[in-house]
Amino acid sequence: EPEVTQTPSHQVTQMGQEVILRCVPISNHLYFYWYRQILGQKVEFLVSFYNNEISEKSEIFDDQFSVERPDGSNFTLKIRSTKLEDSAMYFCASRATPNTGELFFGEGSRLTVL
Amino acid sequence: AQSVTQLGSHVSVSEGALVLLRCNYSSSVPPYLFWYVQYPNQGLQLLLKYTTGATLVKGINGFEAEFKKSETSFHLTKPSAHMSDAAEYFCAVSIGGYQKVTFGTGTKLQVIP
Repeated sequence: EPEVTQTPSHQVTQMGQEVILRCVPISNHLYFYWYRQILGQKVEFLVSFYNNEISEKSEIFDDQFSVERPDGSNFTLKIRSTKLEDSAMYFCASRATPNTGELFFGEGSRLTVL
Repeated sequence: AQSVTQLGSHVSVSEGALVLLRCNYSSSVPPYLFWYVQYPNQGLQLLLKYTTGATLVKGINGFEAEFKKSETSFHLTKPSAHMSDAAEYFCAVSIGGYQKVTFGTGTKLQVIP
């Protein structure tokens, strides 16, 4: 069964360092998303991406964040200069078409900023 | 803007008892509604969804939910809880098939043997 894959599963970094989280969405999907979940809290929307551009972003997604689809398969989230409060689980999701509705999530990348 | 409210951050039921997890939504247009389940240290798995059509939707693992427009609710039920149902459940809403999905705060379900 097709699935969304994310790497790394866990990354530990020092405050101020750049981090890139990688995702391979389901191959025929067109819409891509990043969400984050701080430990014990709700799942928060960060950004959506369609047709090689950001379609929507939240207030959390400030200038420190960027997304890219560098080739036909990968979808990346970059945090330029990490802060302690960026520590969270980051989930990538993809969606086939508007009519299907649901998002398919990866297993997540746990980011720990020290 | 859309939102969902989940009543009860923790729910405990006995094994074999009815599971009822409550979700109310707010949306200015007909919503798409979802329930996702998250097991410890895992991602989010879709349990069921409502987009259009039949208001009672059945999902995986014996769960079902009913869309009630008059009550703006989409409560999740299962007739008989199993130990393996212990997890966190998230209700979510989207105002269109291509729009972002907004999640509720989650309900942790504990199943007591």
